[in-house]
Amino acid sequence: GEDVEQSLFLSVREGDSSVINCTYTDSSSTYLYWYKQEPGAGLQLLTYIFSNMDMKQDQRLTVLLNKKDKHLSLRIADTQTGDSAIYFCAESNSNNDMRFGAGTRLTVKP
Amino acid sequence: DADVTQTPRNRITKTGKRIMLECSQTKGHDRMYWYRQDPGLGLRLIYYSFDVKDINKGEISDGYSVSRQAQAKFSLSLESAIPNQTALYFCATSDWGGSGEQFFGPGTRLTVL
Repeated sequence: GEDVEQSLFLSVREGDSSVINCTYTDSSSTYLYWYKQEPGAGLQLLTYIFSNMDMKQDQRLTVLLNKKDKHLSLRIADTQTGDSAIYFCAESNSNNDMRFGAGTRLTVKP
Repeated sequence: DADVTQTPRNRITKTGKRIMLECSQTKGHDRMYWYRQDPGLGLRLIYYSFDVKDINKGEISDGYSVSRQAQAKFSLSLESAIPNQTALYFCATSDWGGSGEQFFGPGTRLTVL
């Protein structure tokens, strides 16, 4: 079946940039998403990108999509301690079937 | 008020017991989903419903059943709970078309002893 993979852990220092990477296998993906999960809470959508785009920027967040390599990344500039959370990559196809990665736990050290 | 609510938020039960987890939404969305989250495995889809008369199995439906009582309500049942069903359970909703964004409830932490 189709799959979404991401590394499980990332640790950065406050003020540095964080880059979380994700790869997927579904060539029919239409949208790709980044969700954030804070402790004790559900997932909240951070941003998404349509599959025919290669970059989207939203304040401190930059999403890069390499459709050829099926690689998605999320860059968080000037990472703050409040950015510590689990970040999930997800993709959906034309049927709106959504698949999630296992989540990357971002730890921001002061 | 939260758009997607789940009850209970935490539940501890024993093997063999019947458990129902409830989800309500005020977003007016037709599509509703149940996921379970396990450490290192991300979210896995249990069941989903595209409208009141539509119920579909997801990736891991064995041992679970669902009921879509109304557009706003979607409940998940474990007929006879077992310890490997200990997990965090999330309900989500989405609208037709658009970006397909899903809106998540706060989760129910279920422990089966």
